[in-house]
Amino acid sequence: SAVISQKPSRDICQRGTSLTIQCQVDSQVTMMFWYRQQPGQSLTLIATANQGSEATYESGFVIDKFPISRPNLTFSTLTVSNMSPEDSSIYLCSVVEVGLVRETQYFGPGTRLLVL
Amino acid sequence: AQSVAQPEDQVNVAEGNPLTVKCTYSVSGNPYLFWYVQYPNRGLQFLLKYITGDNLVKGSYGFEAEFNKSQTSFHLKKPSALVSDSALYFCAVRDSQAGTALIFGKGTTLSVSS
Repeated sequence: SAVISQKPSRDICQRGTSLTIQCQVDSQVTMMFWYRQQPGQSLTLIATANQGSEATYESGFVIDKFPISRPNLTFSTLTVSNMSPEDSSIYLCSVVEVGLVRETQYFGPGTRLLVL
Repeated sequence: AQSVAQPEDQVNVAEGNPLTVKCTYSVSGNPYLFWYVQYPNRGLQFLLKYITGDNLVKGSYGFEAEFNKSQTSFHLKKPSALVSDSALYFCAVRDSQAGTALIFGKGTTLSVSS
């Protein structure tokens, strides 16, 4: 399976600032996703990161708040903009590998964000 | 719309006893079903999946799950629980025709006592 790394692994930020999270995969993947896991909650899909085009956002998430880039098949970034304490969560990158018809979705280790 | 229900917030079992973590789903097409485990301060680890074929699927760490189409269920099972199985378990589903990301249940905390 693909090996997924995220940077930073954790951060503590002040409200009103922005943080960019990087996701790097060691192989080409067809699809990349960003999820949020709020404290004590399940995973919620933020968006699908599309290579070379704008991300596809789920209901309740907007590009101005969570801009996403995906310049190639192995890398994506998620920015959490103008942060508030409600943004304190674990942010997870997830991928589906190229060429697998009945693909499994794998997850990175997550970025733990605390907003003060 | 796709959805997943995990009716139990917590499951408690004694070590050596069988365990079951329940999951039911709703999709409009054929389901792709998954189980993941999350240990404290760790990411999600893939356990097993059902795509097609045998209703009983076997996965990592001795876990298995049974797909039941009539009951729209995909319960996770293990014949003999270990203390080290204590973790948070997530069931997830994707509609085979939707081609989108997984939708997750709320999670079930498994606690195995020695």
